[in-house]
Amino acid sequence: AQSVAQPEDQVNVAEGNPLTVKCTYSVSGNPYLFWYVQYPNRGLQFLLKYITGDNLVKGSYGFEAEFNKSQTSFHLKKPSALVSDSALYFCAVRDGQWTDKLIFGTGTRLQVFP
Amino acid sequence: NAGVTQTPKFRVLKTGQSMTLLCAQDMNHEYMYWYRQDPGMGLRLIHYSVGEGTTAKGEVPDGYNVSRLKKQNFLLGLESAAPSQTSVYFCASSYRTITYEQYFGPGTRLTVT
Repeated sequence: AQSVAQPEDQVNVAEGNPLTVKCTYSVSGNPYLFWYVQYPNRGLQFLLKYITGDNLVKGSYGFEAEFNKSQTSFHLKKPSALVSDSALYFCAVRDGQWTDKLIFGTGTRLQVFP
Repeated sequence: NAGVTQTPKFRVLKTGQSMTLLCAQDMNHEYMYWYRQDPGMGLRLIHYSVGEGTTAKGEVPDGYNVSRLKKQNFLLGLESAAPSQTSVYFCASSYRTITYEQYFGPGTRLTVT
């Protein structure tokens, strides 16, 4: 069965420091991987995706993610965190090789302190 | 361009009552989805549609029905609400296949007492 895991419920980082939000996956076939962000009382917003190509994917708001096939990971990163980055982050993976459904992780709450 | 809108924003139901949640998108997207979000469980797919007149079951379809009579609208129905259906419901749409990002509505907070 396909699955995605976000091992940290919360990540705390000081403003200006680099941040990493972790995601690992287990799928059959080529993974389609996504990151979404949810601000309080809002719907999810798309950040970036990996379908094929370069392992380093750049997305919105200065975020990037690195696809690592050997470690089955797709960690979200940003070189310098902002207080406004504080939100709930979801990793998602395609649910199987021939499907139009996504499986979402349980989410990681990012708290950036001034 | 309103994107994805959901009606209503909040609702309180008594056990056994029925209701319909409406999702509308003005982006001419083919695909539409209904998710529920519960604490500690992320988003779980209830039903989805890959085009007008088509629907399919997701991960947690029991207790829900859907219809997609028009391309821009996707309705989620609860025929007999249960407390376990207390949740935040999100609708999403995407241009076409899974390779395209999903656009989410603002959500509907439903409480079943």
